[in-house]
Amino acid sequence: NAGVTQTPKFQVLKTGQSMTLQCAQDMNHNSMYWYRQDPGMGLRLIYYSASEGTTDKGEVPNGYNVSRLNKREFSLRLESAAPSQTSVYFCASSRVLQETQYFGPGTRLLVL
Amino acid sequence: EDQVTQSPEALRLQEGESSSLNCSYTVSGLRGLFWYRQDPGKGPEFLFTLYSAGEEKEKERLKATLTKKESFLHITAPKPEDSATYLCAVHTTSGSRLTFGEGTQLTVNP
Repeated sequence: NAGVTQTPKFQVLKTGQSMTLQCAQDMNHNSMYWYRQDPGMGLRLIYYSASEGTTDKGEVPNGYNVSRLNKREFSLRLESAAPSQTSVYFCASSRVLQETQYFGPGTRLLVL
Repeated sequence: EDQVTQSPEALRLQEGESSSLNCSYTVSGLRGLFWYRQDPGKGPEFLFTLYSAGEEKEKERLKATLTKKESFLHITAPKPEDSATYLCAVHTTSGSRLTFGEGTQLTVNP
């Protein structure tokens, strides 16, 4: 089992460009999450999906959209990237909400 | 508002020098407390889940304990490979998301 996988590993964007971060899990988990990690701020939840077909805002959703494509895949889209979105993005999954979350390796995003 | 505070921010130990990391929390109702390890450039790796005061869990040189206001991660006779950032997070009865602390960066020198 690969667990949680994320693509790409690293990306450089110019301000105003758009991109989609991909996440997939092979653990048959129902719930999936997107976090960003910034120095001095810890891990902050952007969006989550309790189950296939549902998505909800987390702590810092502005500037992002998500799609729960199917039970395995959960994507994060930046429609118009801003320098403030420079961060490391982690996807996670859990069997159900509030159970142990398992994280992917992260995507490092630099917005110039 | 739920809060999680980890201390110290950074800790430097000699190999074999045991110590403890602290995670204190202020929450409306605790549903679970989680410890993760994060290596540079990697995602957080799950270590332990604790659910109630008095609970303890062990894995190799690590032991996690929980009281009503804080959790400790005890590291016994650490090795250089234990160097990492250790993150604490809580699930509460009032919400559906994890609240993370900022972590303790542990360095173990040979």
